[in-house]
Amino acid sequence: NAGVTQTPKFQVLKTGQSMTLQCAQDMNHEYMSWYRQDPGMGLRLIHYSVGAGITDQGEVPNGYNVSRSTTEDFPLRLLSAAPSQTSVYFCASSPTGRGANVLTFGAGSRLTVL
Amino acid sequence: GQSLEQPSEVTAVEGAIVQINCTYQTSGFYGLSWYQQHDGGAPTFLSYNALDGLEETGRFSSFLSRSDSYGYLLLQELQMKDSASYFCAVRLYSSASKIIFGSGTRLSIRP
Repeated sequence: NAGVTQTPKFQVLKTGQSMTLQCAQDMNHEYMSWYRQDPGMGLRLIHYSVGAGITDQGEVPNGYNVSRSTTEDFPLRLLSAAPSQTSVYFCASSPTGRGANVLTFGAGSRLTVL
Repeated sequence: GQSLEQPSEVTAVEGAIVQINCTYQTSGFYGLSWYQQHDGGAPTFLSYNALDGLEETGRFSSFLSRSDSYGYLLLQELQMKDSASYFCAVRLYSSASKIIFGSGTRLSIRP
């Protein structure tokens, strides 16, 4: 049981480049989300999804797109990378119902934009 | 807007007890959760309070008072391995179950 898998673990981009951070979970969780973590800023919600075909914006959505075509996958797309997007990105998931308040996190993806 | 406030840093002595506070301003939420994150690692779930009062899980306890818009995490018999960052979080009634986090408290433990 792999849990939440994020790829890549590390990435360096140049300003203006685009890329996709992958997130997959094998726990049949309905809820999936992306957070970014910057020093002293805690975890800020970028986008989230409550099921396949449903996505919504979080606290800091600008510059990012998401889609949820399957229950398992929730990729995060950076459309035109900027140095302000240098951060550690975490994908997290939870079931609905009784366990909805327990997030399982991936190991993180460290992104540097030059 | 919605916000959860935590002290940025707390220092304690090995074997002692420490309390990490979380005060919040939200329009409504299902419950208060706590997560632990070691340097370089991912956050991991510690505890959850759906109702007011104290929840105990081993050396860790968590408390919620909705009337005071306040909660805390209590760590007892501190060990060096408890040095980490701790985050409170809520799942909001509005916005289709969005989960937001506080800014985190870095706990440093001295021998």
